[in-house]
Amino acid sequence: QVELQESGPGLVKPSETLSLTCSVSGYSISSGYFWGWIRQPPGKGLEWIGTIYHTGSTSYNPSLESRVTISVDTSKNQFSLKLTSVTAADTAIYYCARSDDYWGQGALVTVSS
Amino acid sequence: DIVMTQTPLSSPVTLGQPASISCRSSQSLVHSDGNTYLSWLHQRPGQPPRLLLYKISDRFSGVPDRFSGSGAGTDFTLKISRVEAEDVGIYYCMQGTHIPWTFGQGTKVEIK
Repeated sequence: QVELQESGPGLVKPSETLSLTCSVSGYSISSGYFWGWIRQPPGKGLEWIGTIYHTGSTSYNPSLESRVTISVDTSKNQFSLKLTSVTAADTAIYYCARSDDYWGQGALVTVSS
Repeated sequence: DIVMTQTPLSSPVTLGQPASISCRSSQSLVHSDGNTYLSWLHQRPGQPPRLLLYKISDRFSGVPDRFSGSGAGTDFTLKISRVEAEDVGIYYCMQGTHIPWTFGQGTKVEIK
């Protein structure tokens, strides 16, 4: 059973960096698949942020690319998201996922002073 | 970016009756590897999305066979043969052929 769990601060101040980690169990990240982040502003639709392949190769949404970094730590079977210079528009539930088949429960991150 | 357009945006359905959702992409979703990476996801309130179908019509593990997918190129359809109470929620189509991956706006399915 593949399971993913997001962790990180639920409140981030404007202009600061949002950092989240996704812990994976039941499957080794180094075995393959894309591992990604998707976000959903409250009451709105889904937005793909980016993915990392088990080799470390990344793809990002061009709308966020200048502020996003996704990295992987295969020794801990985790991957992470960093989003810099956040504003209120970055307030959302952040999901980590294995490609599109297994999703975490989501982490609500609010950007507010 | 590939724009994914779903219709209808809201679908009141009667229990036991069929339902259908359409998804149209602004460009062909056929990948250079020959596959079409079009998925359908279902989201209940307060829950993460759950994968139903991938590569147009392949059902994910544990998905009931009342869910089926069809289409090709730019036009795709999700069909529920007989709607059950647990099928309420929002359905999204998603393309993973082109970067950035993009989602439809979502179709809300509710019971009449």
